[in-house]
Amino acid sequence: SQTIHQWPATLVQPVGSPLSLECTVEGTSNPNLYWYRQAAGRGLQLLFYSVGIGQISSEVPQNLSASRPQDRQFILSSKKLLLSDSGFYLCAWSNLKRGWNTGELFFGEGSRLTVL
Amino acid sequence: QQQVKQSPQSLIVQKGGIPIINCAYENTAFDYFPWYQQFPGKGPALLIAIRPDVSEKKEGRFTISFNKSAKQFSLHIMDSQPGDSATYFCAAPYYGNNRLAFGKGNQVVVIP
Repeated sequence: SQTIHQWPATLVQPVGSPLSLECTVEGTSNPNLYWYRQAAGRGLQLLFYSVGIGQISSEVPQNLSASRPQDRQFILSSKKLLLSDSGFYLCAWSNLKRGWNTGELFFGEGSRLTVL
Repeated sequence: QQQVKQSPQSLIVQKGGIPIINCAYENTAFDYFPWYQQFPGKGPALLIAIRPDVSEKKEGRFTISFNKSAKQFSLHIMDSQPGDSATYFCAAPYYGNNRLAFGKGNQVVVIP
């Protein structure tokens, strides 16, 4: 069966410090990978998605970047955190079925980031 | 892009009641429209999804009703239980690669 892991689960960082959140998926190959941010009252916002190693698409301009160094590893980074980067970050994976969107994303447990 | 709006923002019902959550989207899409359920401190999990060529889908106590012409769909929770207390997100697809635009979420509280 497939599993998705995110770490760290919680993080408190000062403004201006760097960030690295990791996500790994087990039990599937060549998944689509996603980073979403959940801020209070704003729902889930897609930040980045990736269809393969080294292939990253950014959905919104921001202070963050993403990388996919291995097939089942997705990393969210920042060189200098802002207060507005605080939130609940969710990694997700999916597989298309015969090229069709299924609407099914499998989310990790999330990483709660507080920037002070 | 795709815009998704949910209503009402929050809902409190008695056990056994039928909370109904509504979702409206802007851009026509031909792929699945899902509802996700999220408990506090956890990631969202897919609850039920519907194709736009189907008007209704039931899975257990959860039903999606889809109105393609109005670009709206809703979630009905039959015989609601306290364990259904959660935040519910609807989503609409845009472009490809299972990219989803999510609504802001509806908090549902079921009182015993």
